Amino acid sequence: GAGVSQTPSNKVTEKGKYVELRCDPISGHTALYWYRQSLGQGPEFLIYFQGTGAADDSGLPNDRFFAVRPEGSVSTLKIQRTERGDSAVYLCASSLGDRVNEQFFGPGTRLTVL
Amino acid sequence: AQSVSQHNHHVILSEAASLELGCNYSYGGTVNLFWYVQYPGQHLQLLLKYFSGDPLVKGIKGFEAEFIKSKFSFNLRKPSVQWSDTAEYFCAVNVGDTGRRALTFGSGTRLQVQP
Repeated sequence: GAGVSQTPSNKVTEKGKYVELRCDPISGHTALYWYRQSLGQGPEFLIYFQGTGAADDSGLPNDRFFAVRPEGSVSTLKIQRTERGDSAVYLCASSLGDRVNEQFFGPGTRLTVL
Repeated sequence: AQSVSQHNHHVILSEAASLELGCNYSYGGTVNLFWYVQYPGQHLQLLLKYFSGDPLVKGIKGFEAEFIKSKFSFNLRKPSVQWSDTAEYFCAVNVGDTGRRALTFGSGTRLQVQP
């Protein structure tokens, strides 16, 4: 079956601009996660959705970052007033149910802020 | 907050050599443990996981890991590596008794297997 998909695969933007990154989870997965991976580091948790609601947004670095999942499937990560330090690979993952389980990762969106 | 340490940043082995990658975490309570692998040009994939029970866990492609609670460790092993095992390996921890679902990852170990 189809895995987690993310679009775009690459995004180049200028400092101060607004960007949206999209994630399509595996069909039927109620849990969705966003992580950010900087060069030479492991993924860093940003936010977790269970269904439509953000169950844990403790990893969002500041109020420029926001994510939604209005229908409990597709999610969009939104970054306002981008900064060069936001450059990273943004990973989306999904998993079954509301218990700890294997998280299936997408290919990521590489964001470059010039 | 919990942290995960992977002390080997870059490991170079010849084919058929044995592999052990270290992973230590800092949380003292109940944990769920994972090893993920990222092959060149591919996305993260699960190698194995530990939730409870037998502390020796077997995963895909001949990998195994042992949970040693007293040492806060979850080291990854493979008796004989292949060239196709060249990849980056990430250890990840979920704190099991807080209700959180987030994974905390180590910084990764890049494994290079020479033919």
